[in-house]
Amino acid sequence: QSLLTQPPSVSGAPGQRVIISCSGSSSNIGAGYAVHWYQQLPGTAPKLLIYNNNNRPSGVSDRFSGSKSGSSASLAITGPQAEDEADYYCQTFDNSLTGWVFGGGTRLTVL
Amino acid sequence: QLHLQESGPGLVKPSESLSLTCTVSGGSISSTDYYWGWIRQPPGKGPDWIGSIYYTGSTYYTPSLKSRLTISIDMSKNQVSLNLISVTAADTAVYYCARIFSRDNGDNWTFDPWGQGTLVTVSS
Repeated sequence: QSLLTQPPSVSGAPGQRVIISCSGSSSNIGAGYAVHWYQQLPGTAPKLLIYNNNNRPSGVSDRFSGSKSGSSASLAITGPQAEDEADYYCQTFDNSLTGWVFGGGTRLTVL
Repeated sequence: QLHLQESGPGLVKPSESLSLTCTVSGGSISSTDYYWGWIRQPPGKGPDWIGSIYYTGSTYYTPSLKSRLTISIDMSKNQVSLNLISVTAADTAVYYCARIFSRDNGDNWTFDPWGQGTLVTVSS
């Protein structure tokens, strides 16, 4: 059972906006630690998608954006494309575990 | 460009030890700016951070594996290694190594980049 809770799946059509939530607690997101997001395409390693809540590394499409409020964070995908079908994971630090934690993951299906 | 590559046996018998190596190219593992981490991902599940090491040799382990896990660093070979003893089927997973990197002076850390991963199956 992950300390960060994500919905198992979301779906959306091109032209829609899809939101993936990541719910934590006072020992991780609520403690003020930043949230990062990773994209894992089928058969590949996770790749950093968003860092420090709302920043995109160079080369990441501006279709992806992140936000954080209280003990939760969200990843938004505006106008998802077929190539965005993947698993998405949130990640932060937990001070009760004294280590880094990942969410259970959310699979995006593009309709 | 930094590149990480995991290597090691794909099949390990129960109760034996699992040993993996992560070879880093395109950069030095002796940098003061990074940690180096191991993450594993059981089939069909999300990733789990299992441990990290700094160039000084300081190690950090997830509590559930602390008694079985050792991570070491070899700066002469630019490698980080993992040794997990007394494995069971629950240790079956894809094992990844990654650089752990802060973009805000050490307040928050990301795993970037990752190696391609190596599947380790624990079975007799």
